[in-house]
Amino acid sequence: DAGVTQSPTHLIKTRGQHVTLRCSPISGHKSVSWYQQVLGQGPQFIFQYYEKEERGRGNFPDRFSARQFPNYSSELNVNALLLGDSALYLCASSLGGIFETQYFGPGTRLLVL
Amino acid sequence: AQRVTQPEKLLSVFKGAPVELKCNYSYSGSPELFWYVQYSRQRLQLLLRHISRESIKGFTADLNKGETSFHLKKPFAQEEDSAMYYCALISTSGTYKYIFGTGTRLKVLA
Repeated sequence: DAGVTQSPTHLIKTRGQHVTLRCSPISGHKSVSWYQQVLGQGPQFIFQYYEKEERGRGNFPDRFSARQFPNYSSELNVNALLLGDSALYLCASSLGGIFETQYFGPGTRLLVL
Repeated sequence: AQRVTQPEKLLSVFKGAPVELKCNYSYSGSPELFWYVQYSRQRLQLLLRHISRESIKGFTADLNKGETSFHLKKPFAQEEDSAMYYCALISTSGTYKYIFGTGTRLKVLA
């Protein structure tokens, strides 16, 4: 198993555009979480999905949305991009329980110009 | 407000010296706390969790509710311990979410 995979690895967008980031969890994992990590900061929790339902949400504006598909993969969408959205976006998967170990992907680095 | 504070951005110690990475939290209720580690060019990974009370790679962490701390300790640092360390907690009050600290970079000098 390759572990959690994310695509694309890098992305450059301009202000006002929309972006979609993708995550494939480890086989058998039913939960996916998304994090934003700005340079020099710790990961900031955005969402967690379990069995296609949103289970947790961080303090992010409505421009950020996500969904989970029947195969447990997930997409993170960000609308109306701002310069401040430039960050590393991490995806993590887990078996399902809230306190289960999270396994992180390599991240997608987004640059907004 | 729920918060995790790691006061040191960088901690340098010599090989064989004791290590203590500080973590303080603000949370009303019984927190579930974790330490994550990111080695150079590797993914973020769980190091240990409060609820399992196990020692991983010689590291231990004890929850002190009175001081609201969860410091990470190792009696004898190794060069391979050099990495970025993040303390985190799960908040289950209201909507569930993970809260990470800003991280401490540990450098173990030869």
